Amino acid sequence: DADVTQTPRNRITKTGKRIMLECSQTKGHDRMYWYRQDPGLGLQLIYYSFDVKDINKGEISDGYSVSRQAQAKFSLSLESAIPNQTALYFCATSDLGREQFFGPGTRLTVL
Amino acid sequence: LAKTTQPISMDSYEGQEVNITCSHNNIATNDYITWYQQFPSQGPRFIIQGYKTKVTNEVASLFIPADRKSSTLSLPRVSLSDTAVYYCLVGDRQRGGKLIFGQGTELSVKP
Repeated sequence: DADVTQTPRNRITKTGKRIMLECSQTKGHDRMYWYRQDPGLGLQLIYYSFDVKDINKGEISDGYSVSRQAQAKFSLSLESAIPNQTALYFCATSDLGREQFFGPGTRLTVL
Repeated sequence: LAKTTQPISMDSYEGQEVNITCSHNNIATNDYITWYQQFPSQGPRFIIQGYKTKVTNEVASLFIPADRKSSTLSLPRVSLSDTAVYYCLVGDRQRGGKLIFGQGTELSVKP
């Protein structure tokens, strides 16, 4: 969905490096989410935010942090990347917890 | 700790109707049931959402019994392009109503 953009789309980095994945949305939604997807598996929720001042941990938040800079922007950081964080990362937005609109994904490889 | 259960995979042929059932025993009173479709390397896409009884749109129907502990996604006359993973998404009382993805059902449509 073009209303939800993610940068970068692909990233290769080395163990121990700090990485930031960015998500922007133009849908005007208050709720934003970060998911991780490993090959052949479903989506796992990392963090979610119901408004600018609200940040909540998801199922697998260890090793990750987030920042909600504005209603439209939600960033995911890996302070010290490790190989098992290699995955496809999706950002999503929603209005009142209903239909979620997903971005195109960021493919992250940690060597 | 996903609170939904779906078949891991299903096979079908073009032109057939496909029914995928999701079990969600701990659904919260105010939560909706939502189904998503995901193609490889793309973000999930909303298909249909409902609260109770039956909902129909241009691509699918959703059947929800009175106890709301399960739901069935019905895809009429599937085509090869319906080959994808289908996720059932519901709220969870133990997680404060946050949406949790199930493990997904991989549907393979054959000619």
